[in-house]
Amino acid sequence: GAVVSQHPSWVICKSGTSVKIECRSLDFQATTMFWYRQFPKQSLMLMATSNEGSKATYEQGVEKDKFLINHASLTLSTLTVTSAHPEDSSFYICSASTGQGGEQYFGPGTRLTVT
Amino acid sequence: AQTVTQSQPEMSVQEAETVTLSCTYDTSESDYYLFWYKQPPSRQMILVIRQEAYKQQNATENRFSVNFQKAAKSFSLKISDSQLGDAAMYFCAYRSFSGTYKYIFGTGTRLKVLA
Repeated sequence: GAVVSQHPSWVICKSGTSVKIECRSLDFQATTMFWYRQFPKQSLMLMATSNEGSKATYEQGVEKDKFLINHASLTLSTLTVTSAHPEDSSFYICSASTGQGGEQYFGPGTRLTVT
Repeated sequence: AQTVTQSQPEMSVQEAETVTLSCTYDTSESDYYLFWYKQPPSRQMILVIRQEAYKQQNATENRFSVNFQKAAKSFSLKISDSQLGDAAMYFCAYRSFSGTYKYIFGTGTRLKVLA
């Protein structure tokens, strides 16, 4: 149980275009979802926290207009990287929580390459 | 604000031997959760073990156990009978008992298992 999927697993896009990453909780309802960014050989950096039906809460230094987060249902959150640039290339990971028990369940991640 | 420190960037262990990864944290809260996550080369985050701060008993999961010292704010992970599949990045994480449910991650320890 507690499976989280991400789609796509790898995406290549051209500079200036937008790309959307989906995060789904497959067998549970997630009251809260999180989006992380991870650079090679580094820890996970929290970008934002989203609750179903509410606006996302962004961490300091994260551009909310560049990284649009939507949490439209209890099983789906999306991250849209707008006007992507090569410096946005990274590994993006989502996680989901029911709020109970403290644990986050992680998706497999999405590798974004901007050319 | 809470912080999590992993002071060992890299550790090595012989197969079948025991290794301990250290984690310290700083908080003024009395109730919280602590976690150890494993991130293998696939980059999928896998929960290894969790500890509730109000529980005095150290958590164990098969070959994995923790030494939780609340007063010292220390949360080390012991891996017994190390296996080649244990090679990965290990992250320690802190979560408040209430609030936003977000994690605070340490910088990680890369574990190498030598055959």
